[in-house]
Amino acid sequence: EDQVTQSPEALRLQEGESSSLNCSYTVSGLRGLFWYRQDPGKGPEFLFTLYSAGEEKEKERLKATLTKKESFLHITAPKPEDSATYLCAVPDRAGNMLTFGGGTRLMVKP
Amino acid sequence: GAVVSQHPSWVICKSGTSVKIECRSLDFQATTMFWYRQFPKQSLMLMATSNEGSKATYEQGVEKDKFLINHASLTLSTLTVTSAHPEDSSFYICSARVLAGGPGDTQYFGPGTRLTVL
Repeated sequence: EDQVTQSPEALRLQEGESSSLNCSYTVSGLRGLFWYRQDPGKGPEFLFTLYSAGEEKEKERLKATLTKKESFLHITAPKPEDSATYLCAVPDRAGNMLTFGGGTRLMVKP
Repeated sequence: GAVVSQHPSWVICKSGTSVKIECRSLDFQATTMFWYRQFPKQSLMLMATSNEGSKATYEQGVEKDKFLINHASLTLSTLTVTSAHPEDSSFYICSARVLAGGPGDTQYFGPGTRLTVL
């Protein structure tokens, strides 16, 4: 059974204070790892898909990396508008069911 | 690109009535769409997988006669909550997988529909 664990559950940062969010996974053959951002009362917004260890992707202040056991979402010089819950997920063999981590609730204070 | 819309964004209904929620992929075709529900401060729970032109596959514990899913085209799936009760109040979110054929294809999510049953 696929398992995804995110840490920390909550993270408070000052504006400009860089940090990393962790997503550890146990799957029987990785078929991709997805990162999403979810704001309160909204659906998850797609950020990145990573497929193989060593892969990195960037978007503005966010950078996602992947190893064989975990993925990191690095946030550089965050701004208050980066405050949200960040979710990582892996698909099952058929690419249907996503197993989500519990999410990291990020709060960036000005 | 890869935009998914939902309508309505919120709905309030009386107990016993039925509510239909639409999910559309606006700029891509999706053979597979998914319906989730999310309770406050909890993760998304997959309810069913919907394939265009065929019957939906429901997750264990989800009543298929209560949550009717229709996927009539490559861009539209609907979820009908029949005889809704207060316990059905939740945030319903759909997602669509880009038509590319691989299990690693990204799922794009709609903005969600807040259902409140009085």
